[in-house]
Amino acid sequence: AQKITQTQPGMFVQEKEAVTLDCTYDTSDPSYGLFWYKQPSSGEMIFLIYQGSYDQQNATEGRYSLNFQKARKSANLVISASQLGDSAMYFCAMREPLQGAQKLVFGQGTRLTINP
Amino acid sequence: DAGVTQSPTHLIKTRGQHVTLRCSPISGHKSVSWYQQVLGQGPQFIFQYYEKEERGRGNFPDRFSARQFPNYSSELNVNALLLGDSALYLCASSFGRTGTEAFFGQGTRLTVV
Repeated sequence: AQKITQTQPGMFVQEKEAVTLDCTYDTSDPSYGLFWYKQPSSGEMIFLIYQGSYDQQNATEGRYSLNFQKARKSANLVISASQLGDSAMYFCAMREPLQGAQKLVFGQGTRLTINP
Repeated sequence: DAGVTQSPTHLIKTRGQHVTLRCSPISGHKSVSWYQQVLGQGPQFIFQYYEKEERGRGNFPDRFSARQFPNYSSELNVNALLLGDSALYLCASSFGRTGTEAFFGQGTRLTVV
């Protein structure tokens, strides 16, 4: 079974600094996808970025980039120039094949707090 | 464009009761998945429906059931509610069975007392 590990329960960062949220994964499947989501206190899971296992380049979406190191099985999220609105829970997830279905396996999450 | 919509947003039920949660996917999306998120944890997969058929099921008891309608909206039903069913229930929609994106709704917060 696939597994996602987020080792940082909480992080505190000064506004405008860059922040890296760690995610390691474990899978024996050569084809997989990695997702990052942001969950504010309202509860909605907001899709941030996706990286496929065969993608040659690291994914980027605006201020978000994914530092994908396949050999180390890590997929860290980098947020550049952090903003107060970035304060939220962040979840790393992996798509696990389930008879052709899309099942996402989530980590425990990291609570990010941006200080002014 | 409307995103994934879930109803109701909050719900309080008594142990032993039944509950129905509803989800409308993004227009054009044919896949709906349900997740349970207990406080302090990441979401856990319950079901995926694609083209009105169940395509995947997580490790949940038979008290949990779901269905998808011709317009691709979906219902999650939970019978004989337990205190441990208290959680945020999230619905995710995607275009195909598998894909590079899965968009979530705002969730239904269920409290069982």
